[in-house]
Amino acid sequence: AQSVAQPEDQVNVAEGNPLTVKCTYSVSGNPYLFWYVQYPNRGLQFLLKYITGDNLVKGSYGFEAEFNKSQTSFHLKKPSALVSDSALYFCAVSRTTSGTYKYIFGTGTRLKVLA
Amino acid sequence: EPEVTQTPSHQVTQMGQEVILRCVPISNHLYFYWYRQILGQKVEFLVSFYNNEISEKSEIFDDQFSVERPDGSNFTLKIRSTKLEDSAMYFCASSSDRESYNEQFFGPGTRLTVL
Repeated sequence: AQSVAQPEDQVNVAEGNPLTVKCTYSVSGNPYLFWYVQYPNRGLQFLLKYITGDNLVKGSYGFEAEFNKSQTSFHLKKPSALVSDSALYFCAVSRTTSGTYKYIFGTGTRLKVLA
Repeated sequence: EPEVTQTPSHQVTQMGQEVILRCVPISNHLYFYWYRQILGQKVEFLVSFYNNEISEKSEIFDDQFSVERPDGSNFTLKIRSTKLEDSAMYFCASSSDRESYNEQFFGPGTRLTVL
């Protein structure tokens, strides 16, 4: 069965420090992997995706993610955290059946950046 | 920037009542989705919709659920007879095509509370 795991419910980091939000996946075939962020009272906003090619993917707001096939991971990173990065982060894998695709989401990780 | 909108933001209903959740996808998008998130749990796929018919539905999407695109702009999710366990945040999403490497755009969600 396809699945995505986010092992940490919450990550705390001091402002200015690097942050990592972890994601591992279990899918058959080549994965299409996504990160979304959810701010309070807002929808899920797309951050970045991995399709193929370079294992380091750059996205919005200074975020990047590293795809590691051998470890089946797709961790979200940012070199220097901002208080405004505090939000709920979701990792997802895209699966295609019946001609359309759907996301399988992880459980989400709450990032708290402390001033 | 175009965005997906959803109304209402919060719906409170009595068990057994019918509810209709409304979504306006991005105007040139052709593929539409509903997801839900029960409090504290992961975001789950409910249904995908294209060309005025359901493309795929999950096991959650039973006979109590239906979707419709009644006009050129709205996309609705109807729950015929709500149950307590239908209480959740419901997200609408849309995408421009069916390619699984393209991101979906999400609305802010409707919080449904069934009493």
